[in-house]
Amino acid sequence: LAKTTQPISMDSYEGQEVNITCSHNNIATNDYITWYQQFPSQGPRFIIQGYKTKVTNEVASLFIPADRKSSTLSLPRVSLSDTAVYYCLVGDIITGANNLFFGTGTRLTVIP
Amino acid sequence: EPEVTQTPSHQVTQMGQEVILRCVPISNHLYFYWYRQILGQKVEFLVSFYNNEISEKSEIFDDQFSVERPDGSNFTLKIRSTKLEDSAMYFCASKRGQGIVYEQYFGPGTRLTVT
Repeated sequence: LAKTTQPISMDSYEGQEVNITCSHNNIATNDYITWYQQFPSQGPRFIIQGYKTKVTNEVASLFIPADRKSSTLSLPRVSLSDTAVYYCLVGDIITGANNLFFGTGTRLTVIP
Repeated sequence: EPEVTQTPSHQVTQMGQEVILRCVPISNHLYFYWYRQILGQKVEFLVSFYNNEISEKSEIFDDQFSVERPDGSNFTLKIRSTKLEDSAMYFCASKRGQGIVYEQYFGPGTRLTVT
């Protein structure tokens, strides 16, 4: 399993764009990068996933450079409700069950 | 939108007692999971289940733990003799297909308190 490293915490003001970078130096060829979000006392929730370059959905964008050793989750114009812990995970696309191994994540606090 | 449900939301039990945590995964999903999160710590994988058998389990999932899919809808986690350190949030999750391209949907969790 590729180990991931991300900042423990970040603060941002409402309305700003937030970028959270995750390092995964030992990522393997078959690995995908996935981000989950967890609000207090709730289960994690899938945000976005990608393999290379850029992926965008209605919630976020994910930027992955060519060497894939890092990835950046971008949240446009955050609001107070985006305060949560964000997890970067790396997993093999081929393996069936794909058990998720969460790190400590990045605790994002959005300030009014 | 379909969702994973879990009951009860909070369970208090005495040390040494057996508890069963219940989950109803999303109906057309094939893979089922249990995770736990001790207060203030990270989410930890316990077990995955596919085709009516355990696919993989972590070191945490020792002989005190068992899982079952007793019918077509429920997925349960049993802890035979609870310890104080079993106090945690327990999350059930499910996903539709093979591979990481299928996201896991998590339930709201059951808070287990062992006294």
